[in-house]
Amino acid sequence: EADIYQTPRYLVIGTGKKITLECSQTMGHDKMYWYQQDPGMELHLIHYSYGVNSTEKGDLSSESTVSRIRTEHFPLTLESARPSHTSQYLCASSDGRRSSYNEQFFGPGTRLTVL
Amino acid sequence: QKEVEQDPGPLSVPEGAIVSLNCTYSNSAFQYFMWYRQYSRKGPELLMYTYSSGNKEDGRFTAQVDKSSKYISLFIRDSQPSDSATYLCAMGTNAGKSTFGDGTTLTVKP
Repeated sequence: EADIYQTPRYLVIGTGKKITLECSQTMGHDKMYWYQQDPGMELHLIHYSYGVNSTEKGDLSSESTVSRIRTEHFPLTLESARPSHTSQYLCASSDGRRSSYNEQFFGPGTRLTVL
Repeated sequence: QKEVEQDPGPLSVPEGAIVSLNCTYSNSAFQYFMWYRQYSRKGPELLMYTYSSGNKEDGRFTAQVDKSSKYISLFIRDSQPSDSATYLCAMGTNAGKSTFGDGTTLTVKP
């Protein structure tokens, strides 16, 4: 079982609030990712990081921001939540020594609802 | 056209059936081929990983890669109700960029 954790698991919040979704992994992986996934739909990569102080935008434009101050921690922040941000957010990590980062290990997800 | 196309499903089979899940791709740079299983309201779980062409077996699961046809498959033997989930194929390059399929939802009926 993958050692990657996300909190909170569920969040219901009002429009305009600032939120931070937490993601931590204890596997020592250098690369981490954030995906957005609507129910029954495909995964969309929104951010990734190759290591400390490295962050990149993914394939899907997102109003969220990320930071990577510690290897094991990769939080995602929404400065002002809107109903269009309602979705499931999945964090993942991978190790460059394994299959060139292609084996990804996912957290359980945070289901966000913005009212 | 998407780089990775996955049979859309949904797929419904009786318990004990052999299930075949399939993906095609267009990018010749893909060298790594993965299958993930995702239960409802959970994160994807890595099931199997294959490098380059060939077969890989793990219990009831067999992954096949045919690079000449740009086609990969996941076979599930003796399918169980607990196999009911969405299955995602994913493919990656040596540069570490992975591309996921849209997923196929499988239901195994008792």
